[in-house]
Amino acid sequence: DAGVIQSPRHEVTEMGQEVTLRCKPISGHNSLFWYRQTMMRGLELLIYFNNNVPIDDSGMPEDRFSAKMPNASFSTLKIQPSEPRDSAVYFCASSQTGNTEAFFGQGTRLTVV
Amino acid sequence: AQSVTQLGSHVSVSEGALVLLRCNYSSSVPPYLFWYVQYPNQGLQLLLKYTTGATLVKGINGFEAEFKKSETSFHLTKPSAHMSDAAEYFCAVREYSSASKIIFGSGTRLSIRP
Repeated sequence: DAGVIQSPRHEVTEMGQEVTLRCKPISGHNSLFWYRQTMMRGLELLIYFNNNVPIDDSGMPEDRFSAKMPNASFSTLKIQPSEPRDSAVYFCASSQTGNTEAFFGQGTRLTVV
Repeated sequence: AQSVTQLGSHVSVSEGALVLLRCNYSSSVPPYLFWYVQYPNQGLQLLLKYTTGATLVKGINGFEAEFKKSETSFHLTKPSAHMSDAAEYFCAVREYSSASKIIFGSGTRLSIRP
């Protein structure tokens, strides 16, 4: 299996632009997590899905952030409009019912200038 | 609510010395517990996990951790540090359900002195 696939690996955008991060979970996994990692705040859970349904989005920082999971093999995290303080590494992870751990993608490094 | 506390944001040990990274958790129900490792510019990789049963769990690269319910701890150890162990280590907790969220500690950066 190719593991969790995130794209792009790096994104540089100007303040005010829309940014879309993409994630393909491991086939057969039914839970998907979006995390944000920064030096100041560490690894924060933004939102997670079970069976394509958002379960807990309490970590989404504000209305500029939105996440979707239209099917079991694809999820997006959108920031609109982006701000410099959104600069971070964004990770997607997935897990499977019956297993306990999550498997992480390589992350997307977002820089907003 | 679940939470994880990792004591020490940075730990430095000599090569060959004991590695001890501390983790305490809080959870309203018996949790699943994990240690992950992150190398520079990479994602997180599972080192080991505790679910049920034996409280001493062994992981990859010679690491092990012991679940102590009375102390709500899950400390990570390795008898002899190697230069390749230098990385960031994260403790994580998940409530006793494979459909629940996973909460991570703030991480501990491990440095190895030659």
